[in-house]
Parts: sequence; C-alpha cells; structure tokens
Amino acid sequence: DSGVTQTPKHLITATGQRVTLRCSPRSGDLSVYWYQQSLDQGLQFLIHYYNGEERAKGNILERFSAQQFPDLHSELNLSSLELGDSALYFCASSPGLTGWNGELFFGEGSRLTVL
Amino acid sequence: DQQVKQNSPSLSVQEGRISILNCDYTNSMFDYFLWYKKYPAEGPTFLISISSIKDKNEDGRFTVFLNKSAKHLSLHIVPSQPGDSAVYFCAASARRTGANSKLTFGKGITLSVRP
Repeated sequence: DSGVTQTPKHLITATGQRVTLRCSPRSGDLSVYWYQQSLDQGLQFLIHYYNGEERAKGNILERFSAQQFPDLHSELNLSSLELGDSALYFCASSPGLTGWNGELFFGEGSRLTVL
Repeated sequence: DQQVKQNSPSLSVQEGRISILNCDYTNSMFDYFLWYKKYPAEGPTFLISISSIKDKNEDGRFTVFLNKSAKHLSLHIVPSQPGDSAVYFCAASARRTGANSKLTFGKGITLSVRP
C-alpha cells in the first residue's frame, strides 16, 4: 500500500460526458502528479501540483483540468470525453520539490472507459 | 516523439539467471534515470535510480548501468526470481533544467521469470 488513494477505481461513461477523478496523497506529501496510461503506451505526464500551485504541465489536453485543494487532495476533471480518453489515470505523490530522489508513490489508478 | 524507449516489449528468463532490461533515451538534457516496477492492478513502485554523474548503482539484486555516450541504460536483476515477474518502466528527468518534477516514462517491458 503506497498510501495514495484514488477514487473511483473504475468508471464507465459515454462520449461527451464529464468526470472527476480524485486523489489523496500520502500523509505529509505536498506534491501531486497525474499520469495517463493508454493502451500500449507508457505513463504520460499530465500535470504536477505542489502545495496547491501548478508546477509543471505535460501533454494535458485543454478539455482536462486539475487542481489541488488546501487539504492537499487533488482532482482531475475530464470533460467532453472522447473514446480516446479511455485509459488508466494514475495519481502519484512525493514529499516536495528539492532533495528528491525521484521516487513517486503511485496510487492504484482509476480506469476510465468511454463508450 | 518517444524520448525514452524500451524497444523490447517482453522478456522471459529462467529463475536464478540474470535478467537484463534495456532502455534508450534521446533527450541529452536528461540527467537522472529511474526504474519502476508494476504488478497488475497496482500502481508503479520505485525500484532504483541513477544520476548521470555515475555509471552504476547497485541495490541488492538490482543494478542499473548508465552509458551516457550511448544514451543507454540497463537494469540487471541477479538472480531473477518468480516474484520479479512484472512490468518494468524506465523513466528519466532533466533535473539541471529545473524540470525535475516531470518524469518521462518508457512504454515498459514485461518480465516473466520461469520457475
């Protein structure tokens, strides 16, 4: 158990809909990261938040948005869903920004299926 | 553009033998490299890392070798055990640019260790 909690574990929805994925980081971790893993693809970096502020952005679509709340949990909002958005979405956390060995603690992921 | 490449999608080895997992990268700004392991229905977990100032890092049965001139790294597992059967992701970051929060992952290699 990494200590990172993601909900829901599975989600099935239709094209055009909007969903929200939730992530609670490990206790004490200030950084939250979102990654997307599509079929036969590696983990694609989407976005990084540190203590409520956006720190880095990857290949995140404009239809997607995220935020980190004062209690440090994070939400990833996916709107106008398309079939190609079907993927496993991982949240990860780490203690901070500097002096970091690169270790991210991943949740079990939220599997999104768009029909 | 795949900046971190794991060209072999799978590898099968006999228990007790050496497993060698390869990874190539194209971005010369990458200066920190990591390996993550992932079991089915779980999130990736950190395995080992190496900075570009080193060419080898060892942790128990796991050793990572870095060849900067060839932009190549490899993970050696000796001896391999059935419990090592998992998907292994290679990842890289460009710490000296300040983009240390963004990890770029490869597509992963599925390792099967036969009893």
